[in-house]
Amino acid sequence: GDSVTQTEGLVTLTEGLPVMLNCTYQTIYSNPFLFWYVQHLNESPRLLLKSFTDNKRTEHQGFHATLHKSSSSFHLQKSSAQLSDSALYYCALGGYKVVFGSGTRLLVSP
Amino acid sequence: DPKIIQKPKYLVAVTGSEKILICEQYLGHNAMYWYRQSAKKPLEFMFSYSYQKLMDNQTASSRFQPQSSKKNHLDLQITALKPDDSATYFCASSPPTGEQNTLYFGAGTRLSVL
Repeated sequence: GDSVTQTEGLVTLTEGLPVMLNCTYQTIYSNPFLFWYVQHLNESPRLLLKSFTDNKRTEHQGFHATLHKSSSSFHLQKSSAQLSDSALYYCALGGYKVVFGSGTRLLVSP
Repeated sequence: DPKIIQKPKYLVAVTGSEKILICEQYLGHNAMYWYRQSAKKPLEFMFSYSYQKLMDNQTASSRFQPQSSKKNHLDLQITALKPDDSATYFCASSPPTGEQNTLYFGAGTRLSVL
């Protein structure tokens, strides 16, 4: 079945450093939808960005990701972390149903 | 104004009791879902409904029963509650076309079973 792998459970960064959260997926579908959701403390998950176009960069709120079907990856990046970026980030794969990865908690410190 | 309303926000129950979690969405979506989030399993798919019909069920236990009385309602009945059921339960919905699989989440119901 479909699956999403997020290898880092916790990423700690100092403010101003670049962010990269890894996401790889497995699916039989040739045109998958990939998503990043962000969940701040005591809030519900909300969509951060999404893509279904191969090798096209998608951006939102300073974050960006590029879907690479050749490597089944959809890594999330940001050039400079902010304190307010501290949150739980889920990579998700759309299809018959949405499958979430295990999540990566990002902690940004001063 | 919240477009997906979940009630109650917090719920404390005793082991063996039964509770109903309420979800109403006002986004005009036809697909609705239940997800569960706990410390052990970050975000776990439970059920999906489309046009009030069950599409997918990934919950092994029959103690969890979704109920859809209206197109924009998807409640979750949980019977014979166990401490392991303690979690935050999120209701979500998605548009029918154009943005398939984009989920919009409610604020969640935090359930504690004692």
